[in-house]
Formats: sequence, C-alpha cells, structure tokens
Amino acid sequence: SQTIHQWPATLVQPVGSPLSLECTVEGTSNPNLYWYRQAAGRGLQLLFYSVGIGQISSEVPQNLSASRPQDRQFILSSKKLLLSDSGFYLCAWSGTAHEKLFFGSGTQLSVL
Amino acid sequence: AQSVTQLDSQVPVFEEAPVELRCNYSSSVSVYLFWYVQYPNQGLQLLLKYLSGSTLVESINGFEAEFNKSQTSFHLRKPSVHISDTAEYFCAVKVSGSARQLTFGSGTQLTVLP
Repeated sequence: SQTIHQWPATLVQPVGSPLSLECTVEGTSNPNLYWYRQAAGRGLQLLFYSVGIGQISSEVPQNLSASRPQDRQFILSSKKLLLSDSGFYLCAWSGTAHEKLFFGSGTQLSVL
Repeated sequence: AQSVTQLDSQVPVFEEAPVELRCNYSSSVSVYLFWYVQYPNQGLQLLLKYLSGSTLVESINGFEAEFNKSQTSFHLRKPSVHISDTAEYFCAVKVSGSARQLTFGSGTQLTVLP
C-alpha cells in the first residue's frame, strides 16, 4: 500500500534562517506531488505541484521554493524565512487519474 | 478559474443534532467535488467525493453530500452528529483531468458539544 511521510512534525525557526521540509511517498511510482499551506484561520493554499522529476509549478509568488530530486521525494525550501511563512504545511500526492489527494500528517512551522 | 466558498467558519452543534456544512463553488467547466476532514493535529483525509453519476454521495461514517448543479452547491449533511465528528471540514473543487489539483474552501470548524 502507498504511504506518505512528511517531516518534521513541528519546527520553530528564527526569521532569516533557512528551511527544508521533506516529503516522501512509498508504494507508488510517478506520483503527482503537492505542497499546500494552511495559515491560521484560513483555508488551504496550493504552493507547488510537480508531475515529474525536476518539474515544478509554482502557484503563488512567495519566499519559498520546491524541488523534486527523485521520483518520490518532494522538498520545500527557503533561503531566508519570514514571519509570514509561519503555518501548517501539508504534502500530498495523487495518481495519474488526479481524482484524489492523499495527505501527509503536516508540519507546523513557527517563524519567530 | 474555479473557486470555493464555505459560508460558515464555525458551526457548533449539540451531540445527536443534525448538521449542514455549506459549500458553494464557481467554475466555467465541469468539476469534481470533494469534502476533506481534518481531525485535531492530523493531516487531511478524504471524506467523500462526487465525480459523476448520482448526485447524492455518502461516506462510511454517516455523512452525505448532494451535488446541486443549478445552485452550484455541494453541502455536507449528517442527521445525527457525534462528539468524534469534531473537526475542520474542507470543501474542494477540481477541474477534471487537471494535474493542478484541488482548490479548497477556507474550511468550517465543526464543534460537537455534549
């Protein structure tokens, strides 16, 4: 069966520090991969999605970037965190039918 | 582009009472519709989905949602809620065949009171 792993679960970082959140999927090949952010009191915002290795689509201009170095690995990064980057980050994957998303357990990021 | 509106950010109800969580969408093309649930300190998981066919879809834990094309709505209902239903519920819409995936509403926090 397929599983999705996301870590760390919580992270507290100072403003200006770098960020790296990692997400891996097991049990499937060539998944579509997604990074969402859930800010406090707001809904889910799609940040990036990838349909293949090295293929990244950015949904909104921001301080973050994403990379897909391997088929089942998706990384969310920042060179210098801002206070506004605080939030709950969710990684997700879907199959080629695009019908359903499977979410990771999320990372609560607090930028202080 | 499609959008989703969840009209209620907070819905408190007493245990065993019925509940309706409202969701309206806008799109110029055919869409799939979803409800996701997020229990405290967990990620999201799919509750139910409408792709085609019968406009009434049901989940295994008693929730149901009805796709109403004329009103562009996909409201979520349950005739009798339990304490364990306390969670945040997200309505989402997706253009069929698109890899871009879901557009989510802002969420509705359902709190079931004893």
